Amino acid sequence: GAVVSQHPSWVICKSGTSVKIECRSLDFQATTMFWYRQFPKQSLMLMATSNEGSKATYEQGVEKDKFLINHASLTLSTLTVTSAHPEDSSFYICSASRPIGVRNQPQHFGDGTRLSIL
Amino acid sequence: DAKTTQPTSMDCAEGRAANLPCNHSTISGNEYVYWYRQIHSQGPQYIIHGLKNNETNEMASLIITEDRKSSTLILPHATLRDTAVYYCIVSLNYGGSQGNLIFGKGTKLSVKP
Repeated sequence: GAVVSQHPSWVICKSGTSVKIECRSLDFQATTMFWYRQFPKQSLMLMATSNEGSKATYEQGVEKDKFLINHASLTLSTLTVTSAHPEDSSFYICSASRPIGVRNQPQHFGDGTRLSIL
Repeated sequence: DAKTTQPTSMDCAEGRAANLPCNHSTISGNEYVYWYRQIHSQGPQYIIHGLKNNETNEMASLIITEDRKSSTLILPHATLRDTAVYYCIVSLNYGGSQGNLIFGKGTKLSVKP
């Protein structure tokens, strides 16, 4: 079945540093990837839609200059949290969808990255 | 806001069928019903989806009412590993690939021995 891999699984870093999270589709090409954030005891919130070869589309209230998304290939999207602060501590999850035209393909999710900013 | 309504929590005895309801009374004609689950500290796992016909796969069955305003996910023989938060989501299906997903609070299913 489809597999989406995220790296790293967890990261702890000091306030002010930048953190890059990778999302890879391992056995299919993904023209679209999605980035979500989940705070404790809350549901997933969509942050942005990442499209291969073009700029990401950010949801309202998500700072595009703080959460940099790059989708340079059909199998890799990266999310960089720039100048991270404690309030950015969260569970970040990506998902990938097969290209349009491939029948009945739901999104498949990575296992998430737990980010803790000290 | 999520366009579905689910009970906050449910319990189920191990080995019995778990029936998880979902209301989606404002679903539009081209929206599908998707079910995902999230086990603690993991990413959501796709379970099943459907448009108007009932669907079955190796994980579960999906029963959609004729008016499409509600659906039920059935886990035929629940195990302890099925304990998770289950999300019912309605979403467009763009030429076969899924559109944006809006997660609600889901149903926390606890399977008990």
